[in-house]
Amino acid sequence: EIVMTQSPATLSVSPGERATLSCRASQSVSNNLAWYQQKPGQAPRLLIYDASTRATGIPARFSGSGSGTEFTLTISSLQSEDFAVYYCHQYTNWPPKTFGQGTKLEVK
Amino acid sequence: EVQLLESGGGLVQLGGSLRLSCAASGFSFSNYYMSWVRQAPGKGLEWVSSTSGAGGRTDYADSVRGRFTISRNNIRNTLYLQMNSLRAEDTAVYFCAQHIYDSGGYYYAHWGQGTLVTVSS
Repeated sequence: EIVMTQSPATLSVSPGERATLSCRASQSVSNNLAWYQQKPGQAPRLLIYDASTRATGIPARFSGSGSGTEFTLTISSLQSEDFAVYYCHQYTNWPPKTFGQGTKLEVK
Repeated sequence: EVQLLESGGGLVQLGGSLRLSCAASGFSFSNYYMSWVRQAPGKGLEWVSSTSGAGGRTDYADSVRGRFTISRNNIRNTLYLQMNSLRAEDTAVYFCAQHIYDSGGYYYAHWGQGTLVTVSS
């Protein structure tokens, strides 16, 4: 079973600065990696799929990179609305059960 | 616009049953795999169950297999989750989600707003 590990668990960044979130897979998932944003009391929202493709309506300040086992989500200039929890998810095999444990992005 | 609207959550006693529904609109429902994902209070996302577009394939997490049943009505564009023998650890917000397939696999494209299930003794 593939295990997804996100780091750090909590990331403190000031508005306007860059945030870099990491996700590691226990074995290769090719580029079958998605990132989701979740704000308190809300559903997750798809940000990135195929490791680097932004979903419809997602601002260009969000970018994804990586393949195989190492992946990164970068938010180039943090806006107030970006402070949330971020999850990675691999979908290289079915069923689609493997999420990372999440990274909480908080205001420094 | 894709919309997913869950309902049916609530307070239920230990060992009780509940049926969740997810009404879908804005897409051709029968063409899409669908899943239930839950989130216990203060915790991360946990996959629960999935079904293929026609409903012929179903999969379950080990934690719910034998107690939960996923189904769908493609005429009514509705996804269901029948939950029996509920345990305290089933307390969570339950989300339904639509999958999109690309060459690599199925990712979660759209999510409903969730419905809260609380199992109490």
